Amino acid sequence: DQQVKQNSPSLSVQEGRISILNCDYTNSMFDYFLWYKKYPAEGPTFLISISSIKDKNEDGRFTVFLNKSAKHLSLHIVPSQPGDSAVYFCAASARYSGGGADGLTFGKGTHLIIQP
Amino acid sequence: EAGVAQSPRYKIIEKRQSVAFWCNPISGHATLYWYQQILGQGPKLLIQFQNNGVVDDSQLPKDRFSAERLKGVDSTLKIQPAKLEDSAVYLCASSHGTSGGKTQYFGPGTRLLVL
Repeated sequence: DQQVKQNSPSLSVQEGRISILNCDYTNSMFDYFLWYKKYPAEGPTFLISISSIKDKNEDGRFTVFLNKSAKHLSLHIVPSQPGDSAVYFCAASARYSGGGADGLTFGKGTHLIIQP
Repeated sequence: EAGVAQSPRYKIIEKRQSVAFWCNPISGHATLYWYQQILGQGPKLLIQFQNNGVVDDSQLPKDRFSAERLKGVDSTLKIQPAKLEDSAVYLCASSHGTSGGKTQYFGPGTRLLVL
C-alpha cells in the first residue's frame, strides 16, 4: 500500500523552462511534506518543505504547492538548470502521530533530466 | 558544519553472514533515523531514536535487524543473518530537537550487496 505516489518515473525538460514534479498521497494524517534531491552514490539532500497549514512555499527557484483537498503536491523549478538533473523524492510525515514518531514516508522518485 | 557520517560506504557479504553499519549524526541532533532504500524504491524507515531511546521500530525486521544508540550520539545497525533481499542502501538521517516535523538530513549511505 503506497501512501506517497510519484507517478512519473522520469521527466525531461529543456534548460531554462519550468520543471513540474508531482506527488499524491493517501494518508490524511500526513501534515508535513518535503522534497529531496538525490544524485547517484549520495544521500538525499533536503530541498524544500511545506506544512499542511500552508498552500505554497517558495525558496529561490523552487516552489512547492499543496492542495490538501486533492491530497496532491507539486514542486516547480524555474528556470531549470543542468545541475537540477537528479532524482527527486517526495516525502511526508504525520508530525503528531504520538510519541514523537515522525519518520518520513517516501515516494519512488522522479528522475528529472534537464536537456541543454 | 559537518554532515551525517556513515561507514563503511560499501559492503559485500555472503548470505547468512553478519554485517554492521555505523552512523554519526550532525552534532547536537537529538533524533536519528535509519532507512533502507532498495533499488528503484524510495527510502523506507526502519527505526527512529530520540537521544538513546527508540521512538518507532514498527518496520524493523526484528528477527534479524537490531540497532542501538547507547550514548545518544553514534548509532549502529546490525543484520544477522543477512538475506539476499537485504541488498540495499542503508541511509542514516538526523534532525534537531525532539518535537515533530523537523527536517531530516541524510548521510551518504552504506551500499550493501548480499551474495
